[in-house]
Amino acid sequence: SQQGEEDPQALSIQEGENATMNCSYKTSINNLQWYRQNSGRGLVHLILIRSNEREKHSGRLRVTLDTSKKSSSLLITASRAADTASYFCATALFTTSGTYKYIFGTGTRLKVLA
Amino acid sequence: DAGVIQSPRHEVTEMGQEVTLRCKPISGHDYLFWYRQTMMRGLELLIYFNNNVPIDDSGMPEDRFSAKMPNASFSTLKIQPSEPRDSAVYFCASSLGGVSEKLFFGSGTQLSVL
Repeated sequence: SQQGEEDPQALSIQEGENATMNCSYKTSINNLQWYRQNSGRGLVHLILIRSNEREKHSGRLRVTLDTSKKSSSLLITASRAADTASYFCATALFTTSGTYKYIFGTGTRLKVLA
Repeated sequence: DAGVIQSPRHEVTEMGQEVTLRCKPISGHDYLFWYRQTMMRGLELLIYFNNNVPIDDSGMPEDRFSAKMPNASFSTLKIQPSEPRDSAVYFCASSLGGVSEKLFFGSGTQLSVL
């Protein structure tokens, strides 16, 4: 099963509105990352938040992390039509081999209507 | 840098045929990941390499799947024999290593097995 479960699965908003999507995970993490995927393309990294951070900003993006609830949220403010894409959270899991592997959530499909 | 390069972009084959997907990671990156994306199962981690060595292949679905990384600039994912349920988008991603490094994704290979 996926490490990260995201909700909502799909979100449709008007241009200018804010979009919030959530990610829950199951095990302890070192950091959590958010990625965007445009239709038919590869994923693009947006932002990383470490386990000892509670909030992080990057432009119109705001990410929060609650390790006690094992959840994170991504807020996109003043959305634009170009923000239409799928958004995924990814958690870095430490492995017994001493390396890290990245597990992705199920994703939220965001549609911003002009 | 040209980014992560995958080939072919699209592959259509018949059941039972061998399929080879190729990936060239970003120069200097020491981690390489293979993911498979489907509507039903989302993004699944198949296998990842660190310094050309396979670290975790627990996500490889069956013995029909194999992956190699003969050098730091090239990796292949092979399916032999292919089946219709292997139809998916296969992504390769690379990173500089370490838990706080972001993944860089290729554009993916859309595989259709008829």
